[in-house]
Amino acid sequence: RKEVEQDPGPFNVPEGATVAFNCTYSNSASQSFFWYRQDCRKEPKLLMSVYSSGNEDGRFTAQLNRASQYISLLIRDSKLSDSATYLCVGPYYNQGGKLIFGQGTELSVKP
Amino acid sequence: DTAVSQTPKYLVTQMGNDKSIKCEQNLGHDTMYWYKQDSKKFLKIMFSYNNKELIINETVPNRFSPKSPDKAHLNLHINSLELGDSAVYFCASSRQYSNQPQHFGDGTRLSIL
Repeated sequence: RKEVEQDPGPFNVPEGATVAFNCTYSNSASQSFFWYRQDCRKEPKLLMSVYSSGNEDGRFTAQLNRASQYISLLIRDSKLSDSATYLCVGPYYNQGGKLIFGQGTELSVKP
Repeated sequence: DTAVSQTPKYLVTQMGNDKSIKCEQNLGHDTMYWYKQDSKKFLKIMFSYNNKELIINETVPNRFSPKSPDKAHLNLHINSLELGDSAVYFCASSRQYSNQPQHFGDGTRLSIL
């Protein structure tokens, strides 16, 4: 099992749709997780941190399920500008800040 | 007022050459990183320095040598470049080396001819 695994997609959704991505992780000792967004040929940018039971930021909600070892990202009312690759990221416990990146889920929002 | 800046943005060179990529952060962070993103889009860590001290050294050929003259700078020198080195190299920094989100530079696109 990969350390951090996510469905690569692509997810093609119409504007205004709600879309959810899941990400599973193998290291049960991982303490915190992040969702990053990466636009084509650009650098990854932090979208949300995910701690304990999850958090919400506007149209974005992140959830953490420790029992099943997965995190999710929910995007409501999708905008064209949400089109990007979403990277699930978890730290490798006790490895000096080593973040393990998932392969990314590609989202394409269509008019 | 760029937070993490790396130069050059594009680097096209011949196989066998030696090249360097520079990175600087003005966020006051203690930890800096180098990542490689290949054509399959996987982002893999190569090195990490905390306050100029090497703390992560992944399985990377010893042709790659990082250098951190101070905690705001982390440079990457690559000797004897090979075709497989073609990728985008990202520098990043974080406040501490544990459980902290990282801020990325905009990448150096390295192409080996």
